[in-house]
Amino acid sequence: GDSVTQMEGPVTLSEEAFLTINCTYTATGYPSLFWYVQYPGEGLQLLLKATKADDKGSNKGFEATYRKETTSFHLEKGSVQVSDSAVYFCALSDQGDFNKFYFGSGTKLNVKP
Amino acid sequence: DTAVSQTPKYLVTQMGNDKSIKCEQNLGHDTMYWYKQDSKKFLKIMFSYNNKELIINETVPNRFSPKSPDKAHLNLHINSLELGDSAVYFCASSQDREAFFGQGTRLTVV
Repeated sequence: GDSVTQMEGPVTLSEEAFLTINCTYTATGYPSLFWYVQYPGEGLQLLLKATKADDKGSNKGFEATYRKETTSFHLEKGSVQVSDSAVYFCALSDQGDFNKFYFGSGTKLNVKP
Repeated sequence: DTAVSQTPKYLVTQMGNDKSIKCEQNLGHDTMYWYKQDSKKFLKIMFSYNNKELIINETVPNRFSPKSPDKAHLNLHINSLELGDSAVYFCASSQDREAFFGQGTRLTVV
């Protein structure tokens, strides 16, 4: 079955550090891939997405590239801010089962001033 | 305008009680969901409806019963609440393989 695996947290970085959160997936079809962010006390918000291989999703300085050969969708940001502190979820929606979203376990990011 | 809204935001209740959480979306989406998020932030899908029809029903106790009066609403009723039901419950809707989430309902069973 489909699944998403992402690196365990928490990840603690200093402001302006480089961020990578790893995400790999297993899917039977051709999934769309997503990163969602959850700020404290709030719901999940879509951060970025990619719908086909080699697509790059980007938003607010975050980027992720859909790598079919490595079944990965790693999230990166060149310089994190304290306001980026949140929980980040990698997710997929499979072409064959588009109503169902599979989420990773979430990675908590703490950015210190 | 709030796209996916759920009420209440907080719910504290005693074991054995029955409670409901309401969800409404104004996005015109066909599909709605209920997710449960545990204390470790893990998200587990519970139910999904498409145009008022139940399409996903994961392994969830019978005490949980979703109801969709129309495609803009998906409510969750929970009977005989147990301590283990304490969690944050998220409603979501989707169209074209992109999901939008509500703010969550933090349920605490004491």
